[in-house]
Amino acid sequence: DPKIIQKPKYLVAVTGSEKILICEQYLGHNAMYWYRQSAKKPLEFMFSYSYQKLMDNQTASSRFQPQSSKKNHLDLQITALKPDDSATYFCASSQDRGADTQYFGPGTRLLVL
Amino acid sequence: SQLAEENSWALSVHEGESVTVNCSYKTSITALQWYRQKSGKGPAQLILIRSNEREKRNGRLRATLDTSSQSSSLSITATRCEDTAVYFCAFVNTGNYKYVFGAGTRLKVIA
Repeated sequence: DPKIIQKPKYLVAVTGSEKILICEQYLGHNAMYWYRQSAKKPLEFMFSYSYQKLMDNQTASSRFQPQSSKKNHLDLQITALKPDDSATYFCASSQDRGADTQYFGPGTRLLVL
Repeated sequence: SQLAEENSWALSVHEGESVTVNCSYKTSITALQWYRQKSGKGPAQLILIRSNEREKRNGRLRATLDTSSQSSSLSITATRCEDTAVYFCAFVNTGNYKYVFGAGTRLKVIA
């Protein structure tokens, strides 16, 4: 059974629209993260949450807003989508924030037209 | 320039051979992790090595860490076709908990 679920697997959006990427983890972890992976760039850290509290924000744009309704949920809302937002977005979790093993979800591949 | 980088963009070896991927970084770290990512999948952690450790093993995998030269290596022995993947190093900055990933080395194991 998958321990980290990301929905949807694929997402196509038009420029200017808004989408929400879903992430749920069933590992009992206290920390969750979002990463972005574009075609020609390294995996890029975006946010970290610990006990549902935002701890780190490496995303310059306020168009990206994480939302944590439950300890094991960390969704990512993206507004005013741009073609440059096209990437695969990975959710990850770890037991606690810090130098712990991070487990990654399968990713949501977003294409903005 | 990137804070973390692997020293090869792509490698190919024949099944059964050994291969080493190297990584360098440019800051003080708490730990360094090696990940593998197969096509269409999320990264999967292989080995975590903390700054006070010099070597860690996991089956056919061996990671080393040299904090004086700010470098790490991942060696894979007796490679198999299923080892074909992109291998990343990622480190955790001392003082914060943000992971920084290198661009990755694409390894192809040929039967």
